[in-house]
Amino acid sequence: DIQMTQSPSSLSASVGDRVTITCRASQTFSRYLNWYQHKPGEAPNLLIHTSSYLHAGVPSRFSGSSSGTDFTLTISNLQPEDFATYYCQQSYSMPITFGQGTRLDIK
Amino acid sequence: QVTLRESGPALVKPKQTLTLTCTFSGFSLSTSGMCVSWIRQPPGKALEWLARVDWDDDKFYNTSLKTRLSISKDTSKNQVVLTMTNVDPADTATYYCARRVVLIRESYYHYYMDVWGKGTSVTVSS
Repeated sequence: DIQMTQSPSSLSASVGDRVTITCRASQTFSRYLNWYQHKPGEAPNLLIHTSSYLHAGVPSRFSGSSSGTDFTLTISNLQPEDFATYYCQQSYSMPITFGQGTRLDIK
Repeated sequence: QVTLRESGPALVKPKQTLTLTCTFSGFSLSTSGMCVSWIRQPPGKALEWLARVDWDDDKFYNTSLKTRLSISKDTSKNQVVLTMTNVDPADTATYYCARRVVLIRESYYHYYMDVWGKGTSVTVSS
């Protein structure tokens, strides 16, 4: 199975900040990495698919990139509604695996 | 509009079999490339992918849970059913189903779960 190591596990930031979350894969694969936002009591929402493609309707302050086995989610100009938990998920091979999540809190 | 809705028992006793149903609308699981996955989240823990059934009836399972899981689809009813045998309190979680789509864009495939249900909470306790 491909292991996805996500960091940091938690993060405190203020409205207007820029934050970066990283996912490292246990083996090399190109582009097949998705990012989700999850708020308590709600369904997870797809933000970025295939490493860097913004899902329809997602604000442009969210962006994704990759380099080797490292994948990055960047949120620019944090808004109050962005405080949530974020997960990466590889879609390269079965079984599908998620990162451990990054909880983003208000500082 | 694509929607998915999970249903099943809220409380299950240890060692029993849990059966969850995902009822969906707005797409067909007969369409090439379409799939439905089950994912769970135990309280305070991360998302964990469980199983997937594909349009061609291929099935895939979480490595550590595969001996206890079974997934099936009923295309005529627009439903996907997940069964988990011999449940344990560690199986207490919110269970989600999600649609996976495939898109061809810029000459390669894109695979992602674009629509999720709201989840159903399951507690395993005697």
